[in-house]
Amino acid sequence: KQEVTQIPAALSVPEGENLVLNCSFTDSAIYNLQWFRQDPGKGLTSLLLIQSSQREQTSGRLNASLDKSSGRSTLYIAASQPGDSATYLCAAGRGANNLFFGTGTRLTVIP
Amino acid sequence: NAGVMQNPRHLVRRRGQEARLRCSPMKGHSHVYWYRQLPEEGLKFMVYLQKENIIDESGMPKERFSAEFPKEGPSILRIQQVVRGDSAAYFCASSPSRLADTGELFFGEGSRLTVL
Repeated sequence: KQEVTQIPAALSVPEGENLVLNCSFTDSAIYNLQWFRQDPGKGLTSLLLIQSSQREQTSGRLNASLDKSSGRSTLYIAASQPGDSATYLCAAGRGANNLFFGTGTRLTVIP
Repeated sequence: NAGVMQNPRHLVRRRGQEARLRCSPMKGHSHVYWYRQLPEEGLKFMVYLQKENIIDESGMPKERFSAEFPKEGPSILRIQQVVRGDSAAYFCASSPSRLADTGELFFGEGSRLTVL
């Protein structure tokens, strides 16, 4: 069974700092790894999708990497802003129809 | 192109009542997924449907829960005889094809069920 873990559970940083969020998964036979953002009381917004054949994806200030062999993915946020404050979820695609989600990292960027 | 629409956004039920949650996928999407998010837990897969068919319900409790995606109209997640442990946020997501093919899911804003 796929287990997805995110560390840390919560993180506070001052505005402008670069930061890394970590995601690990136990079963490396995934077909993709996705990072989502969830704001309080809201749904999930897809940030980056890395297919299993890829090593990283970039969008603006965000960069996500994937190392299947070690079962790890990282989300790098450059020059953090207060608007980045949210919960960040990673999800591993495994099996025909399923995404396995971590419990998220709650990020607070302090102005 | 409207996103995934879920209603109601908030629902309060007493123990033993029924809860019906609706999900209209994005236009052109025929694949619908339901997930449940319990407080302080990650999202857990419940069921995957295509039009008129349940493809995978391995994450859905065998009793009291059912889902459908009729030819016309929204997908419905139905919970009969609700208990306090059913209190959670229920998220619907849609995609234009199988998850394993495109990998991309579009989520609604969720329906938050509170059982008194």
